[in-house]
Amino acid sequence: EIVLTQSPGTLSLSPGERATLSCRASQSVRRSYLAWYQQKPGQSPRLLIYGVSSRATGIPDRFSGSGSGTDFTLTISRLEPEDFAVYYCQQYSAAPDTFGQGTKVEIK
Amino acid sequence: EVQLVESGGGLVQPGGSLRLSCVGSGFTFSKYWMDWVRQAPGKGLEWVANIKEDGSEKNYVDSVKGRFTISRDNAKNSLYLQMNSLRAEDTAVYYCVRESTSSEGGSWGQGTRVTVSS
Repeated sequence: EIVLTQSPGTLSLSPGERATLSCRASQSVRRSYLAWYQQKPGQSPRLLIYGVSSRATGIPDRFSGSGSGTDFTLTISRLEPEDFAVYYCQQYSAAPDTFGQGTKVEIK
Repeated sequence: EVQLVESGGGLVQPGGSLRLSCVGSGFTFSKYWMDWVRQAPGKGLEWVANIKEDGSEKNYVDSVKGRFTISRDNAKNSLYLQMNSLRAEDTAVYYCVRESTSSEGGSWGQGTRVTVSS
């Protein structure tokens, strides 16, 4: 099983700042099958990034994904008020698919 | 527009059974791997199971092996999760998910709530 470890657990930032979220895998994620999700309270997760760096339909270009192998990053270039939420990474390259434990981006 | 609509959740006693259903529309259902993902109250996301396009391959998280069965009916654009021997720790919102591919992002339903309690 591929274990995903996200850091930091909580990120306290102000609107307009840059957010950098990390996702580290216990073994290499093949075929670049890594995704990022945003979740707000009471809502379903929203797909932001798939295939490490492809933005899902309708996702603003301030969200970007990068990385390879075992180290992946989600960057939000300038935080908007609606971006404060919990973010999860997921690998779907090898069963069982697994999620990271989440990073909460909160308003400083 | 891709839509996934789950149903079948509810309150069940420990040891009981429940069958979740998910109907997909707006895409060719038979061409995608499909998943169930759950989220316990106040917790993170947990992948539960997935099934190949033609149903020939199924995978499960260890905690549900032998108790849950994933299946699909491509003629009905439907995904199922048969849950037996339910435990309190199975209490969660269960989401139906169309997996992402190398060229296309996935999609999630709104979820159906399962509560296991006496």
